[in-house]
Amino acid sequence: AQSVTQLDSQVPVFEEAPVELRCNYSSSVSVYLFWYVQYPNQGLQLLLKYLSGSTLVESINGFEAEFNKSQTSFHLRKPSVHISDTAEYFCAVSEGTGGFKTIFGAGTRLFVKA
Amino acid sequence: NAGVTQTPKFQVLKTGQSMTLQCAQDMNHEYMSWYRQDPGMGLRLIHYSVGAGITDQGEVPNGYNVSRSTTEDFPLRLLSAAPSQTSVYFCASSYLGLAGVGAYEQYFGPGTRLTVT
Repeated sequence: AQSVTQLDSQVPVFEEAPVELRCNYSSSVSVYLFWYVQYPNQGLQLLLKYLSGSTLVESINGFEAEFNKSQTSFHLRKPSVHISDTAEYFCAVSEGTGGFKTIFGAGTRLFVKA
Repeated sequence: NAGVTQTPKFQVLKTGQSMTLQCAQDMNHEYMSWYRQDPGMGLRLIHYSVGAGITDQGEVPNGYNVSRSTTEDFPLRLLSAAPSQTSVYFCASSYLGLAGVGAYEQYFGPGTRLTVT
C-alpha cells in the first residue's frame, strides 16, 4: 500500500546552517512527489514538485529536493536557512494505480533559531 | 478566480449531530479531495473524487460521506459527529496527471476547524 514516512518529527537548526528533511515513500510504480509548507496558522502551499525529467527540483526560495527511485526517497534540503523558514513541511506522494490518491506524511516541524 | 473555498471556517457540534462541510472550486479541476489534519499525524485522506459522479474512500473514511454531483462542488457530510472527529478539515483540488501515475499538485482551501463536544 502507498505510504509516506517523514523520518524526523522536529528539526531544530541554527540560522544560516544547512538542513535536510527526510522523506521516504513506498510504491513500486511511477509516482508524482511533492513538498508542501505550512506556516503557523495558515494553509498548505506547494514548495516544489517532481513530475518527470530531472531528478533534482528546486523552489524559488532556495530549497531543493532530489528524487531517488532506487531508495524511494525525496529528501528536502536547503544550504542556509533563515528564521522565516520556520514552518511545518509535508512530503506527499500521488499514485495513479488504484485511484489517484495523494497521501501525505506526518510532517516535519523545522524550527530555525537565531 | 476564487480558487478553493470552504465554509464554514469554524463549527462547534454536539455529539450525534450531523452537518455538511462545503467545498467549491472554480478551476475546472477533475480531482477533489478531503483531508483532516491532526497534530503529529499530518494530513489524512478521507475521501476523494476524480470527476462528477465518481468518489472513492481514502485512509480514514468512516463516519463521513461525500458526493460529487458537479465538477465544482464536493461536500463532506458528517453523519453523527463524535469527539474523535474534532479536527481541521481541508478540501483540495487538482488536475489529473498521466493515467497510472497520479494527480498533480493540490490547491488547498483555507480549512474548517471543527470541534465536537
